[in-house]
Amino acid sequence: DTGVSQNPRHKITKRGQNVTFRCDPISEHNRLYWYRQTLGQGPEFLTYFQNEAQLEKSRLLSDRFSAERPKGSFSTLEIQRTEQGDSAMYLCATIPRGGTQYFGPGTRLTVL
Amino acid sequence: GDSVTQMEGPVTLSEEAFLTINCTYTATGYPSLFWYVQYPGEGLQLLLKATKADDKGSNKGFEATYRKETTSFHLEKGSVQVSDSAVYFCAPDAGGTSYGKLTFGQGTILTVHP
Repeated sequence: DTGVSQNPRHKITKRGQNVTFRCDPISEHNRLYWYRQTLGQGPEFLTYFQNEAQLEKSRLLSDRFSAERPKGSFSTLEIQRTEQGDSAMYLCATIPRGGTQYFGPGTRLTVL
Repeated sequence: GDSVTQMEGPVTLSEEAFLTINCTYTATGYPSLFWYVQYPGEGLQLLLKATKADDKGSNKGFEATYRKETTSFHLEKGSVQVSDSAVYFCAPDAGGTSYGKLTFGQGTILTVHP
């Protein structure tokens, strides 16, 4: 257990539905990252926050994806109108200033 | 942007064999380099890291040396154990103001048999 928690751990949804994932970081870790990992691949960067500011978004993050980190603590990742291609493991990671990343256990999304 | 090429797997070894997993990268500047490991059913864990040229990262008997001239960070272990069976990922850090942003290789599956 790295201290980074993610909920839910598994989510099964039907195509077209909206889903929201939550990441609770280690307290006082100022940067928070979201990655997506599909089967047999390494994680791919989606976006990151420094405190409450979203500093960078990958081109992988289509308009259907939105992420927030209100008050610079927990973060949410929402996917609207899910598609089967969104099925993946969504990973959250946090990092203290000058430190290395701690990954959460991930949320596995299955879109039927 | 940054990219990583990892040795394709799966790699299957007998216990106590020598392990090498190759990793080369392209990046702007001189990134910090990491190896992460993902054990079956578990999340990503940092295995080792190196932050500058010629640094050697080591942990749990694994080693990797930051080779700037060949842009490589190959992972080695002298004698693998069954418990080392996992997926291994090489990842440079973007560095600078984007520190912490990692670019992962596709991963190398290692299976160690007794």
